[in-house]
Amino acid sequence: NAGVTQTPKFRILKIGQSMTLQCTQDMNHNYMYWYRQDPGMGLKLIYYSVGAGITDKGEVPNGYNVSRSTTEDFPLRLELAAPSQTSVYFCASSPNWGNEKLFFGSGTQLSVL
Amino acid sequence: GQQLNQSPQSMFIQEGEDVSMNCTSSSIFNTWLWYKQDPGEGPVLLIALYKAGELTSNGRLTAQFGITRKDSFLNISASIPSDVGIYFCAGVINTGTASKLTFGTGTRLQVTL
Repeated sequence: NAGVTQTPKFRILKIGQSMTLQCTQDMNHNYMYWYRQDPGMGLKLIYYSVGAGITDKGEVPNGYNVSRSTTEDFPLRLELAAPSQTSVYFCASSPNWGNEKLFFGSGTQLSVL
Repeated sequence: GQQLNQSPQSMFIQEGEDVSMNCTSSSIFNTWLWYKQDPGEGPVLLIALYKAGELTSNGRLTAQFGITRKDSFLNISASIPSDVGIYFCAGVINTGTASKLTFGTGTRLQVTL
């Protein structure tokens, strides 16, 4: 039972490069989320999705894009990486509306130099 | 956005000691959650609280939903080395399409033998 799987685990980007952080879950959860975690800060919501084909902005969406073509996958795209996007990124899922109990992946540590 | 103040920021304790940490907000929440993050991993839900005044235990962990609905407390009794990690509180407000979580800044716990 894999739960929420994120790849890659670590990545270093140059300023201006693009990349996609992958997230997949095998629990058939409708809701999926992307958070970023900066040192000494709480997790900040970037984007979320309430089901395949539906996405919405969170608290800090600028510089990111998402898509949700299937229930299982919720990739996060950085088009023009900037140093301010250096962070640890967590994908999470939850089963139903109103179910706030999130299941998190193990994170992607991204450095933009 | 909403802010959750979590204290203390970090704690160094000896094995066997009890631990107390808290989370306060200027806003009211419907639900309080406590997560633990092990090094290199995503947060894992420890306890969920749904009613003002509620006191809930999970093994050596006990959490309380404050009467004012603006705060929550987590206690760990008889700490052991595997309690090391970062503890996050999260306040939840249920909106129209998804639950909105606001995370605290975390309490880093170190346990010495």
